[in-house]
Amino acid sequence: DADVTQTPRNRITKTGKRIMLECSQTKGHDRMYWYRQDPGLGLQLIYYSFDVKDINKGEISDGYSVSRQAQAKFSLSLESAIPNQTALYFCATSDSGGGSNQPQHFGDGTRLSIL
Amino acid sequence: GQNIDQPTEMTATEGAIVQINCTYQTSGFNGLFWYQQHAGEAPTFLSYNVLDGLEEKGRFSSFLSRSKGYSYLLLKELQMKDSASYLCAVRDLRAGTGKLIFGQGTTLQVKP
Repeated sequence: DADVTQTPRNRITKTGKRIMLECSQTKGHDRMYWYRQDPGLGLQLIYYSFDVKDINKGEISDGYSVSRQAQAKFSLSLESAIPNQTALYFCATSDSGGGSNQPQHFGDGTRLSIL
Repeated sequence: GQNIDQPTEMTATEGAIVQINCTYQTSGFNGLFWYQQHAGEAPTFLSYNVLDGLEEKGRFSSFLSRSKGYSYLLLKELQMKDSASYLCAVRDLRAGTGKLIFGQGTTLQVKP
């Protein structure tokens, strides 16, 4: 089983719909992140959470919201989807303990298309 | 602010050596990571540097010079499966502890 699981893996929907992308992890990490990736633009941070009661905006949070339901779960919502939110979305986790060399671990991604 | 630059694309031959460069400008540098990402897949962690010098892991090595704001990833004995994007990411304490700033990635094509 994957350590960081994203659902769904693929989603096609229409403009104006509300969409939720879910992420769960079994790594026991306290930190979780949501990124979007567009061709040629690399990974852009949407939101991040350092524990259950902590939510922070990233570089491109407009049009998105998140919920950290438990240490292992972090969901991303698009309240009213628009076509320029079509992208590949990644969830990632990291461990605050063990020093600064702790990498982020990524889920397999959700490919979202908004028509 | 933060700025990370990598070449967009590179091509190399199977069995050869390739060096992928990354330059960065940050105000609170606290480590540099390299990730590999095959098309449509998740990025996977390759290496970490926080002190100057070379870190070697099998066919892959990563170098850091903090004074120059420069890193490179060296891939030896290239294999076809090394065709992927390589992402340079910097941890900047001024941007928030634990956060990474990613470059746009370098797409490497390995040819027979």
